[in-house]
Amino acid sequence: DTGVSQDPRHKITKRGQNVTFRCDPISEHNRLYWYRQTLGQGPEFLTYFQNEAQLEKSRLLSDRFSAERPKGSFSTLEIQRTEQGDSAMYLCASSSYRGRWSQETQYFGPGTRLLVL
Amino acid sequence: SQELEQSPQSLIVQEGKNLTINCTSSKTLYGLYWYKQKYGEGLIFLMMLQKGGEEKSHEKITAKLDEKKQQSSLHITASQPSHAGIYLCGAEVGSSNTGKLIFGQGTTLQVKP
Repeated sequence: DTGVSQDPRHKITKRGQNVTFRCDPISEHNRLYWYRQTLGQGPEFLTYFQNEAQLEKSRLLSDRFSAERPKGSFSTLEIQRTEQGDSAMYLCASSSYRGRWSQETQYFGPGTRLLVL
Repeated sequence: SQELEQSPQSLIVQEGKNLTINCTSSKTLYGLYWYKQKYGEGLIFLMMLQKGGEEKSHEKITAKLDEKKQQSSLHITASQPSHAGIYLCGAEVGSSNTGKLIFGQGTTLQVKP
């Protein structure tokens, strides 16, 4: 049973560069979430997809951030013109959503740690 | 201010001791999740509680959700060094079925052998 995978695990970039992260969810999970976590804090919601549709975006997700899930499987999160404040752990989670009355558990990947110099 | 408050922020216990971590909200919690995180790694799912008064156990860890669904506790019995890590509570706060989880700031647990 393969869990959620993320690539790369670590990324160091210079301010102003673009970066892209990839998330592969548990197969057949229809929902995919992106969170951001800074040191000493819990994860903060960024956005999520149900299949290929992006259903919600946090106001934390500025116009420099874009996420896609083109075929309803893997997802990418791109940050353009990175800033030092973007340094954080970016976490991806997936779940199997079967309707409002069923339990939905989000399973997390190992995260991508971004450092912007 | 945090919508989910965890206490304590950090905890150091001697191996074999029991401990409790609390997670509270001023709003109704729809689906309360407990996760464990090792530093620099992803979150590992522990338990999920939905109904008021619900209690679940797995090995030496017990989680409870109060009747009003505004407070949860995580209790570890006879702690071991393997229990060390960061414990996070996450929940859908104020409305259900959004899928979006709000997290507390985490409780860092150290277990001294």
